[in-house]
Amino acid sequence: QKEVEQDPGPLSVPEGAIVSLNCTYSNSAFQYFMWYRQYSRKGPELLMYTYSSGNKEDGRFTAQVDKSSKYISLFIRDSQPSDSATYLCAMRLYSGGGADGLTFGKGTHLIIQP
Amino acid sequence: DAGVIQSPRHEVTEMGQEVTLRCKPISGHNSLFWYRQTMMRGLELLIYFNNNVPIDDSGMPEDRFSAKMPNASFSTLKIQPSEPRDSAVYFCASSLSGNEQYFGPGTRLTVT
Repeated sequence: QKEVEQDPGPLSVPEGAIVSLNCTYSNSAFQYFMWYRQYSRKGPELLMYTYSSGNKEDGRFTAQVDKSSKYISLFIRDSQPSDSATYLCAMRLYSGGGADGLTFGKGTHLIIQP
Repeated sequence: DAGVIQSPRHEVTEMGQEVTLRCKPISGHNSLFWYRQTMMRGLELLIYFNNNVPIDDSGMPEDRFSAKMPNASFSTLKIQPSEPRDSAVYFCASSLSGNEQYFGPGTRLTVT
């Protein structure tokens, strides 16, 4: 079992729909959780990050962390064709304030149909 | 801000050749990460540096891989000798806070 599991999709939804993307993880020591968006043949772009459990909202995006279930989600409201991309969840341990590498899910390919 | 700069963007080489990938992090960032992305394994951490010092190289697949960071504005990832299974997209990322890692455009490596 991989440390971070993510459904690869593709997930296809009509424009304007609410999108829900999810990851599960096995290492309860993960403390920081991120979502990256990756367009084809581009580098990953950071969308959101949260610390421990709770919700965080930024425009049309909401990130949710449930540490008791080891489950994180990203919601996209009013989805647009430009949101079509691969979404990667990532997480890292707490390392006393220093930088640390990220553990990624394999990504979900999202398609927004006009 | 120019972002993370990687070169070359594409590299095609023959098995057994030496390959050097280059990275310039965002100015002022003190952490640098090398990742590799393949369809089979996804995005995996190879090695990272804090303040130019290698901290964790446990993700480096074999002794054929080596990385250096001689100063705060430059890092290299070297593969010698290269093998077809090294074909992947290699990303460099940099960070100041540790959480917000900013990725470069990647180097697409093909080893024939």
